[in-house]
Amino acid sequence: QVQLAQSGAEVKKPGASVKVSCKASGYTFSGYVMHWVRQAPEQGLEWMGWINAGNGDTKYSQNFQDRITITRDTSASTAYLDLNSLRSEDTAVYYCARSYDSKSYFEFWGQGTLVTVSS
Amino acid sequence: EVVLTQSPATLSLSPGERATLSCRASQSVGTSLAWYQQKPGQAPRLLIYDASNRATGIPARFSGGGSGTDFTLTISSLESEDFAIYYCQQRANWPPTFGGGTKVEIK
Repeated sequence: QVQLAQSGAEVKKPGASVKVSCKASGYTFSGYVMHWVRQAPEQGLEWMGWINAGNGDTKYSQNFQDRITITRDTSASTAYLDLNSLRSEDTAVYYCARSYDSKSYFEFWGQGTLVTVSS
Repeated sequence: EVVLTQSPATLSLSPGERATLSCRASQSVGTSLAWYQQKPGQAPRLLIYDASNRATGIPARFSGGGSGTDFTLTISSLESEDFAIYYCQQRANWPPTFGGGTKVEIK
């Protein structure tokens, strides 16, 4: 069965960077797109960007354009989210979510990774 | 970007009652709309895609309808496990966007 296992919680200081991983299993990693979606405490869902796990193409929300990088390691079936210049407003749970292609819905989700930004 | 407005913000109902949730888009999204369920401490789960199609394993008491700018999610008879927050999401226009959510709580 499809599983997306994310890395553990992180605590970062303002201005730092964070890297969150998402290891996929149960399907052919390179055949799908991986998205990153975040959720601030008690807030709604915000789409951040995607990566085509096959060819490495990426697209990012303009809200994060200058601070985000999504990469993948096909040999490890893992996608990564890098977010830099962290501020307190970036405190959130970060989810990876798989879709069939870049415009499809989010069929499967990781368990989420809490990133706390605090001085 | 397309703004999705969900109403009501909170719906207080008893088990066995019918729940009707609304999602309105700021511009037409055709039928390119999904509904997700999220329980506390869990990731969202896809319930409905393309406005009216149930995702794999979703019980028949969940149904979706609508097109253009107005959509509904109906839960025909609430079970205890259905009390959760529900989000709509559109994929018709980039970037994909979510509504603010409707919390279905036990009355």
